[in-house]
Amino acid sequence: ETGVTQTPRHLVMGMTNKKSLKCEQHLGHNAMYWYKQSAKKPLELMFVYSLEERVENNSVPSRFSPECPNSSHLFLHLHTLQPEDSALYLCASSHGAGGADEKLFFGSGTQLSVL
Amino acid sequence: QQPVQSPQAVILREGEDAVINCSSSKALYSVHWYRQKHGEAPVFLMILLKGGEQMRHEKISASFNEKKQQSSLYLTASQLSYSGTYFCGTESGGSNYKLTFGKGTLLTVNP
Repeated sequence: ETGVTQTPRHLVMGMTNKKSLKCEQHLGHNAMYWYKQSAKKPLELMFVYSLEERVENNSVPSRFSPECPNSSHLFLHLHTLQPEDSALYLCASSHGAGGADEKLFFGSGTQLSVL
Repeated sequence: QQPVQSPQAVILREGEDAVINCSSSKALYSVHWYRQKHGEAPVFLMILLKGGEQMRHEKISASFNEKKQQSSLYLTASQLSYSGTYFCGTESGGSNYKLTFGKGTLLTVNP
């Protein structure tokens, strides 16, 4: 148990659907992250929020829309996805100052399949 | 640019040693190591900072050669629980907001 909870664990959606991934951290951290993990590819950073403000956006397509209503919750809203978006989506949190010595606490991820 | 990890996979018998390498083409400020077991969250192992000392997590240690822009993870007297995929993450600017991860090294420890 890392203190970061993601729901749902698995999600299957059609290309025209709209769905949301949820992440909650119970660690009192100020920064939250979305990563994409595809088979045989490195972890890709998608978004970073610090104190509910987006501080990084790594050229992610607009069909992915993040939302951070408070420092404990992070959402990833999905719409009109493509099959190549199928992947494991990982949420992480860290203390929040953005220092190089900050470790990340990951959730177990949501395995997304786009049909 | 993502760091390059080697080897891609390694199989050990319990008690054997292994080394996993992580190399970058850019000057590095820090290197992070994580382990992920199948179906589970990646778990933090250690961080090495520029100018810092070699780090240790149980019987796993790591070094950081700033001049060569590489880090090595040393697994000594491996245990079954060491099995998993090991990822290194690197960054050059002193911020974990810009970590770039390698593709991972799959380590299998057999009895």
